[in-house]
Amino acid sequence: QSALTQPASVSGSPGQSITFSCTGTSTDVGAYNHVSWYQQHPGKVPKLIIYDVKNRPSGVSNRFSGSKSGNTASLTISWLQAEDEAAYYCSSFSSTSTVLFGGGTRLTVL
Amino acid sequence: QVQLVQSGAEVMQPGASVRVSCEPSGYTFTGYYMHWVRQAPGQGLEWMGWINPDSGGTNYVQKFQGRVTMTRDTSISTAYMELSSLRSDDTADYYCAIQYDTSGYYTGAFDIWGQGTMVTVSS
Repeated sequence: QSALTQPASVSGSPGQSITFSCTGTSTDVGAYNHVSWYQQHPGKVPKLIIYDVKNRPSGVSNRFSGSKSGNTASLTISWLQAEDEAAYYCSSFSSTSTVLFGGGTRLTVL
Repeated sequence: QVQLVQSGAEVMQPGASVRVSCEPSGYTFTGYYMHWVRQAPGQGLEWMGWINPDSGGTNYVQKFQGRVTMTRDTSISTAYMELSSLRSDDTADYYCAIQYDTSGYYTGAFDIWGQGTMVTVSS
């Protein structure tokens, strides 16, 4: 199966809100509420920030929120901060009982 | 504290096999599926598969079928990922990961990760 589709890069200014998209198909994103989002700073291990579309793990800032509509999931970061500059990856459970990742979106904070 | 500790970096010849280990602590080893994810330099994340440490059952992504073997040794609470017939494009960081405090066992919500093992394939 193909990876999920994410834009390669986005940018925003401190204090803004920014939304990332993650597009799959009716056999993965559209079929299950098992979409997760990861934040990865350069040279670091990925960190889970959203799971099951909209749930935040303990300790993750409430500036991060997730949603889904049809085959597209979204991650929104409110009140953008310099420390948010990182790569963001989405993942989804799929009908073949496998996990798909998106190609990742690099966020630049201007 | 729940953590996964992986074996050290490896440099391998093309065509060889590599085995990466992952030793958990802070939780019951057999209670959580162990997943393996890799990341080539400058590239995205790629899920490889999982092993159920309790039963030994596995599920591999089709791309790696025939080349990857995930095993575990319950006597020492360690999981292994072996990749054979190595090619240059297998050069990557290999991570083990689990869904510890999130729902499900294999839905992709990995909240605990190992530190990564860099495997370099070069002649």
